[in-house]
Amino acid sequence: KAGVTQTPRYLIKTRGQQVTLSCSPISGHRSVSWYQQTPGQGLQFLFEYFSETQRNKGNFPGRFSGRQFSNSRSEMNVSTLELGDSALYLCASSLRAGGELNEQFFGPGTRLTVL
Amino acid sequence: QKEVEQNSGPLSVPEGAIVSLNCTYSDRGSQSFFWYRQYSGKSPELIMFIYSNGDKEDGRFTAQLNKASQYVSLLIRDSQPSDSATYLCALRPMDSNYQLIWGAGTKLIIKP
Repeated sequence: KAGVTQTPRYLIKTRGQQVTLSCSPISGHRSVSWYQQTPGQGLQFLFEYFSETQRNKGNFPGRFSGRQFSNSRSEMNVSTLELGDSALYLCASSLRAGGELNEQFFGPGTRLTVL
Repeated sequence: QKEVEQNSGPLSVPEGAIVSLNCTYSDRGSQSFFWYRQYSGKSPELIMFIYSNGDKEDGRFTAQLNKASQYVSLLIRDSQPSDSATYLCALRPMDSNYQLIWGAGTKLIIKP
């Protein structure tokens, strides 16, 4: 079974631009979560989607948005990029939303650099 | 605010040593706990999860949970250089729509 895929793997943008990242979950998984990871920081939760609905949202500004399609693929968008948005963006899929033992499986990440 | 605390390290030990990685948490209602390993430049991968008090063993890894003291630990026996990575602790509280809460991770270095 193929794992979680993320595209693109690397991205370089300039301040003020916007960016769209894509995530395809493991086949059969319906929940997709997005995280931001910066050096020295833990995983910072962005949002979670399940069945095309945003179930949960972290403490990020409205410049960060996402959506999920009927095939469970998800995209996140960051508008008006700032230098501080440079990070590794990780997508994780799980079989279902919530639940005690609902493990998350991570994609390889998209490394975004904002110049 | 729910928190998960881990010693950031780096923790440096010789090959073959027993390593104990610790994680404390503030939310008494937390139900399940996860240990992930993240190699430099890679994404986290699940090592194991635990939800009952006591020990859970999987090969060279043992997770230990003590809900009364609010800590969870990961023991690595016969540590190998390939175990060198950052170890992330995560928990799933009862509320917050079951969203995982993550620690910042402990960097582990196993010296040959």
